[in-house]
Amino acid sequence: EVQLVESGGGLIQPGGSLRLSCAASGFTVSSNYMSWVRQAPGKGLEWVSVIYSGGSTYYADSVKGRFTISRDNSKNTLYLQMNSLRAEDTAVYYCVRLSGSYPGTDFDYWGQGTLVTVSS
Amino acid sequence: QSALTQPASVSGSPGQSITISCTGTSSDVGNYNLVSWYQQHPGKAPKLMIYEGSKRPSGVSNRFSGSKSGNTASLTISGLQAEDEADYYCCSYAGSSTWVFGGGTKLTVL
Repeated sequence: EVQLVESGGGLIQPGGSLRLSCAASGFTVSSNYMSWVRQAPGKGLEWVSVIYSGGSTYYADSVKGRFTISRDNSKNTLYLQMNSLRAEDTAVYYCVRLSGSYPGTDFDYWGQGTLVTVSS
Repeated sequence: QSALTQPASVSGSPGQSITISCTGTSSDVGNYNLVSWYQQHPGKAPKLMIYEGSKRPSGVSNRFSGSKSGNTASLTISGLQAEDEADYYCCSYAGSSTWVFGGGTKLTVL
């Protein structure tokens, strides 16, 4: 059974840093395309970043230069390093598997999400 | 990376059919057959309902169907049921390994 479990969210001051983790089971993270999608309170979904099986990474303009997606193959875990956090980064962050052939066709498995709150 | 345009809300009575539109541009919806739809109940993670415009994942009811014409994709739900009440989001590949979601549509079953 595929499972994605995020952790690492919390309250952080503007300008601070936070690293989110996503432990996967039931499949191999390094052999799949993985993404982060976020949802601000009461708002819609926003794609954040993707890492492909070959290691290439891409970001939404809103987080480019501040966020870094990575993975630890030995731990079967996906990460999102978030630096220079802003109030507008406040959201539930979902770890998601991107299914299908390149560049991916759909987000088929979602974690339960972890809440990041950026506030002083 | 502007969000795709969806109606804020739609409603229908049990047994009826409704359609949710998702309008993008020739750079996303109109240029790729990579539109997907997600259902989200309050406090829950989104669930994939349609992928590649019109395909249903295993386990999704055939009451859900998808289509596309030009820069607009659509999700149709037939035989509305109470449990269909949720938020629905479209998503499209936007090129250069980026993705864009719609603003979401709240479906109310009257």
